Amino acid sequence: EAQVTQNPRYLITVTGKKLTVTCSQNMNHEYMSWYRQDPGLGLRQIYYSMNVEVTDKGDVPEGYKVSRKEKRNFPLILESPSPNQTSLYFCASSLRVNTEAFFGQGTRLTVV
Amino acid sequence: AQSVTQPDIHITVSEGASLELRCNYSYGATPYLFWYVQSPGQGLQLLLKYFSGDTLVQGIKGFEAEFKRSQSSFNLRKPSVHWSDAAEYFCAVGESSIIQGAQKLVFGQGTRLTINP
Repeated sequence: EAQVTQNPRYLITVTGKKLTVTCSQNMNHEYMSWYRQDPGLGLRQIYYSMNVEVTDKGDVPEGYKVSRKEKRNFPLILESPSPNQTSLYFCASSLRVNTEAFFGQGTRLTVV
Repeated sequence: AQSVTQPDIHITVSEGASLELRCNYSYGATPYLFWYVQSPGQGLQLLLKYFSGDTLVQGIKGFEAEFKRSQSSFNLRKPSVHWSDAAEYFCAVGESSIIQGAQKLVFGQGTRLTINP
């Protein structure tokens, strides 16, 4: 089954404690991206990757890092989380940017 | 940079009534346009997309959307809504910049749809 898998689904952490949210897709897609969803703001892109070892900033990259060492995986790293990073995060993949994007189930992160 | 505006934050309609969700975009070239639906606690699912050609596109679940270049709009419609259509709907535009080499998808703020029985 074609899917994008994110882990964990829920996470509560403390300010400053490094964390990683994993994202994996099994569709051999080139394009992957991370979004955060906040009430009234829709989805805002954090980072995207057009292929292995090719990543770039989206609209709200501050406080986040990503890597793309393999085509299927695109982890999101918060080196020092802060409360304003409390949000719902989605990973997505698509063959190219202008084709259908497949979304993971989301990760609800709370930073206290 | 492009932008997407969904003027209606929340819409309530009765089951069986018709529906139109508005989407306006700002983009210099011919846009790639999408509508996604998010059910509670779920990720987003593609309803339909427009790349070129016929300006009226059909999607899943009985939805359709019409691209109107003169109005910079891509409104989503359904002739008769069902209680299962209650969800949040997002319009999105794809940007591909040859000069900058950037490719991104920009979403609107979303419209929450409530269905009255």
